Amino acid sequence: DVKVTQSSRYLVKRTGEKVFLECVQDMDHENMFWYRQDPGLGLRLIYFSYDVKMKEKGDIPEGYSVSREKKERFSLILESASTNQTSMYLCASSWGGSYNEQFFGPGTRLTVL
Amino acid sequence: ELKVEQNPLFLSMQEGKNYTIYCNYSTTSDRLYWYRQDPGKSLESLFVLLSNGAVKQEGRLMASLDTKARLSTLHITAAVHDLSATYFCAVDPMEYGNKLVFGAGTILRVKS
Repeated sequence: DVKVTQSSRYLVKRTGEKVFLECVQDMDHENMFWYRQDPGLGLRLIYFSYDVKMKEKGDIPEGYSVSREKKERFSLILESASTNQTSMYLCASSWGGSYNEQFFGPGTRLTVL
Repeated sequence: ELKVEQNPLFLSMQEGKNYTIYCNYSTTSDRLYWYRQDPGKSLESLFVLLSNGAVKQEGRLMASLDTKARLSTLHITAAVHDLSATYFCAVDPMEYGNKLVFGAGTILRVKS
C-alpha cells in the first residue's frame, strides 16, 4: 500500500514564526503536492514538484515556499506565519506519466495565533 | 482552463434511498478519480476511471465515466449512515505537471 505521512497532525504556532511541514512518501512517486483546504473553498494547490529539486507554483503560492532535496520528501515552509494561514494542509503524491491518481497524507491542522 | 463542477454540493438523504452525484468537466479527459473525505480526515481514494465507459463498483457505490459527455456519476444505492462523508471528483487534464483538478466536493448526510 502507498503510504504518505506528514510530520504532525496538529500544530499551533505564533504569528511571525517560521513553520516547516514535512511530507514523506514510500512508493518512489515522481510527483508530490501541497494543498490547503478551507471550509467552502475546497482544495487549493500551493506548490507541486515533479522531480527532486524541481518545484512549480500552484494556485496560491504566496507566503509559502517548498523544498524537495530527496525524492521521498517534500517540505512546505511558511516563512513568517500569519493568522490567515490557519488551515488544514494536505500532502499528496502520484506516480506521474499516464496514471496520476494522487495519494494523500493524513493532513496537518495548523493554527496560527 | 479545465473546470470541474460537482452537483449537488450538499445532499441530505434517508437511509435506504438511492441518489446520484454528478461531476461535469469542461475539457477532454479520460481519466477521473473519486475520493472520499470523512470529517477532520484526509482524502481516501475510492475509484479510478481511466477510459470512456469505465464503471467501477464498491459496495453501495458505483462510479461511471462518459468522456463524450464529459460526465462522471457516483451512484449511491440503498444509502446507509456510514456513507456520510464528502465526496470529491478529480479530473486529470493530462498536461504538464500531472496536476489534478478537483471539484468542490459533495457533502453527503445520510439520515437514519
